[in-house]
Amino acid sequence: NTKITQSPRYLILGRANKSLECEQHLGHNAMYWYKQSAEKPPELMFLYNLKQLIRNETVPSRFIPECPDSSKLLLHISAVDPEDSAVYFCASSQAQSNERLFFGHGTKLSVL
Amino acid sequence: GQQVQQSPASLVLQEGENAELQCNFSSTATQLQWFYQSPGGSLVSLLSNPSGTKHTGRLTSTTVTKERRSSLHISSSQTTDSGTYLCAIAGAGGNYKPTFGKGTSLVVHP
Repeated sequence: NTKITQSPRYLILGRANKSLECEQHLGHNAMYWYKQSAEKPPELMFLYNLKQLIRNETVPSRFIPECPDSSKLLLHISAVDPEDSAVYFCASSQAQSNERLFFGHGTKLSVL
Repeated sequence: GQQVQQSPASLVLQEGENAELQCNFSSTATQLQWFYQSPGGSLVSLLSNPSGTKHTGRLTSTTVTKERRSSLHISSSQTTDSGTYLCAIAGAGGNYKPTFGKGTSLVVHP
């Protein structure tokens, strides 16, 4: 799937700050960050619709989303914790409600 | 919040056999999608089926909205079908939150 690109693909960190990036080329209005820990299903972290944060799930405050325009999504992580080790997926849909989700290939974060 | 249960948790088949996967959910869903995920891979959308029956290739999904259940039938399974199948549900209006079940792990032996 080259229509939703995420960078980087792999990230190995100590207790550092880092940002994950996502860009979608589908013209969609809603974008999402999901976290998938090992052997678990994806869990919704944040949802943006038309650049407005609609859902802010109960995630640690060290995760800060940013949506500079409707096609881009960032996830800033400060002072990562070992429990943050997971794959972070970006997804998008045409609208916030009742539309199909399309996923990027994910960023695998490993915290040392 | 929305609860999504998938069954079975795992399934082992011989190539050529059919598979039947189930998804049950706790409250009204206005969007339902089936996804495939290979080990270490991303999520690939297979079918979007909030109600009724839909087919694509060897896949058939039937969703009975008022009974809050959906099934995914895979006919003539192939070894390349091995992976995890996830069901995702979203409700209406302000309660929209795409929520995933834990998935069914499918292994197809040659």
